[in-house]
Amino acid sequence: EVQLVESGGGLVQPGRSLRLSCSASGFTFGDYVMSWVRQAPGKGLEWVGFIRSKVYGGTTEYAASVKGRFTISRDDFKSIAYLQMSSLKTEDTAVYYCTRDRLNDPDFDYWGQGTLVTVSS
Amino acid sequence: DIVMTQTPLSLSVTPGQPASISCKSSQSLLHSDGKTYLYWYLQKPGQSPQLLIYEVSNRLSGVPDRFSGSGSGTDFILKVSRVEAEDVGLYYCMQSIQLPYTFGQGTKLEIK
Repeated sequence: EVQLVESGGGLVQPGRSLRLSCSASGFTFGDYVMSWVRQAPGKGLEWVGFIRSKVYGGTTEYAASVKGRFTISRDDFKSIAYLQMSSLKTEDTAVYYCTRDRLNDPDFDYWGQGTLVTVSS
Repeated sequence: DIVMTQTPLSLSVTPGQPASISCKSSQSLLHSDGKTYLYWYLQKPGQSPQLLIYEVSNRLSGVPDRFSGSGSGTDFILKVSRVEAEDVGLYYCMQSIQLPYTFGQGTKLEIK
């Protein structure tokens, strides 16, 4: 059974950093693109970024709103994807979902339960 | 960025009746590879979103056949042939032909 479990969320002050983790199981992690999608309280879904599999260079892409502040990485040995968030702003407050892209297709067939990040002083 | 516009933003449907949600994109979602990169997700209350339909009209395994997707280019529709209580939630369309991936605003489906 495919499972994605996010962790690392919490309350953080503006300007500080936080790292989210996404522990995956039930599939060959290294074969898949892993993405992050967020949802601000009461709002819709916003794509944050993704990391390609090592076969495709393990390169990353980001939304303009987080580019230069957020970094996605992966540890294929541990089957974990990370979202390193720095210079956090109040508008980054959201539930952050880890997602798996369907193999060779740019959509999200599995989602984690989400972890809440609250940026507030 | 490609703008995804959903209508209506909310609808209230009697169980057993049909429901339809429109999604329009600001640019064509038809790629030169022949695929159209339009997807539908459902976020049930208190849950994470789930993929329902990929590439306009393909139901993900396990999705009931009362859900169907259609459309081309820039205009797409999600239909629920006979709404059931478990279908309540927020429906989102999404495009992934171009970065950044973008979602529609969401359509809230309620039961009358």
